[in-house]
Amino acid sequence: RKEVEQDPGPFNVPEGATVAFNCTYSNSASQSFFWYRQDCRKEPKLLMSVYSSGNEDGRFTAQLNRASQYISLLIRDSKLSDSATYLCVVNGGAAGNKLTFGGGTRVLVKP
Amino acid sequence: GAVVSQHPSWVICKSGTSVKIECRSLDFQATTMFWYRQFPKQSLMLMATSNEGSKATYEQGVEKDKFLINHASLTLSTLTVTSAHPEDSSFYICSAEGLSRSGNTIYFGEGSWLTVV
Repeated sequence: RKEVEQDPGPFNVPEGATVAFNCTYSNSASQSFFWYRQDCRKEPKLLMSVYSSGNEDGRFTAQLNRASQYISLLIRDSKLSDSATYLCVVNGGAAGNKLTFGGGTRVLVKP
Repeated sequence: GAVVSQHPSWVICKSGTSVKIECRSLDFQATTMFWYRQFPKQSLMLMATSNEGSKATYEQGVEKDKFLINHASLTLSTLTVTSAHPEDSSFYICSAEGLSRSGNTIYFGEGSWLTVV
């Protein structure tokens, strides 16, 4: 089983709609969680950290469920510019203090 | 602007030659940098952890004699792909930990596309 798993998608989303997807992690000792965004042929960029109580940044909401070992990302009012691959990243646990990346979830927002 | 700069962005080399990729932290010192490789439609895979002033720590399955890492200063780490072959063609990307408003944050370089022909 992979340490960090994501649905690869693609999620085809009409512009203005809401989309949500999860990421599961295998090691309960994992300490920090992040969502990164990666555009085609570019480096990943930090979208947001994920806090235990859940957090929101504009149209983006992240949740952490430690009991079920998953994190989620919800995008409201999707924009065409939200089209990207969203990487779930976990720090700690089996990998120590190193980042472990999920395979990414591809989101395509269409007019 | 870029917090971590990587160079070159694109490189094409002949099979059997060596290629050096540089990763620089701008405006901050990074005692530790990380090197990743990403094949098309796959996730980033950690290759090695680069430690300033000491030997790099390689992940299982990564050949240390093929992927030479040098971290000679607090702002520069280099990855040299020796005797490159077409199967080494990939997106290589580095990262470094720096301090932001949110605390310690991982910053990525822009990545280097290597094509071995």
